[in-house]
Amino acid sequence: NAGVTQTPKFRILKIGQSMTLQCTQDMNHNYMYWYRQDPGMGLKLIYYSVGAGITDKGEVPNGYNVSRSTTEDFPLRLELAAPSQTSVYFCASSYPPTSGTYTDTQYFGPGTRLTVL
Amino acid sequence: DAKTTQPPSMDCAEGRAANLPCNHSTISGNEYVYWYRQIHSQGPQYIIHGLKNNETNEMASLIITEDRKSSTLILPHATLRDTAVYYCIVRPYFSGGGADGLTFGKGTHLIIQP
Repeated sequence: NAGVTQTPKFRILKIGQSMTLQCTQDMNHNYMYWYRQDPGMGLKLIYYSVGAGITDKGEVPNGYNVSRSTTEDFPLRLELAAPSQTSVYFCASSYPPTSGTYTDTQYFGPGTRLTVL
Repeated sequence: DAKTTQPPSMDCAEGRAANLPCNHSTISGNEYVYWYRQIHSQGPQYIIHGLKNNETNEMASLIITEDRKSSTLILPHATLRDTAVYYCIVRPYFSGGGADGLTFGKGTHLIIQP
């Protein structure tokens, strides 16, 4: 298994441009997540999805959009890029809770380093 | 408000046990303690989690105090590759489905010295 893969690894955008960060997992996980990590800080949740066709906002969703048409893929769309979106973006996935308890373990991709100038 | 408190940095000699403390004095009865680590420039990696009993796996041991207000992650024989930022996270459990993200603080930067 490749696990969670993300593309591209690096990207420089100009203010106002748009792009899509790709995330794919081959573990058949229902749950997928997008986080961002600013320099010297912990991760913050942008969006998450509990299955194909279902997405919801996290802590910092403004300026981003997501879709989930398949179990494997969870792309993150940046519209009208701003310097405040300069960050490292991590995608993660996990199995849903089982046996009545919430004990998911999240598996992370290698990240996409985005700079907006 | 931060749910966990960790020292910002720690040193440990290679080959020795690294003991990373975490305070979570406001932990609820339905919250697990999770540990993740992040090696420089990589995505976070799951290490271990527990509710109230001590836990051990191939990577580490987790010791949770009886009152559950603090815990210690133990890396038994630290190597240079264990140099990373270690995050202690409390996370509720519940039945019925749904999801939410992990809440990462600033963690402890563990430096393994040769």
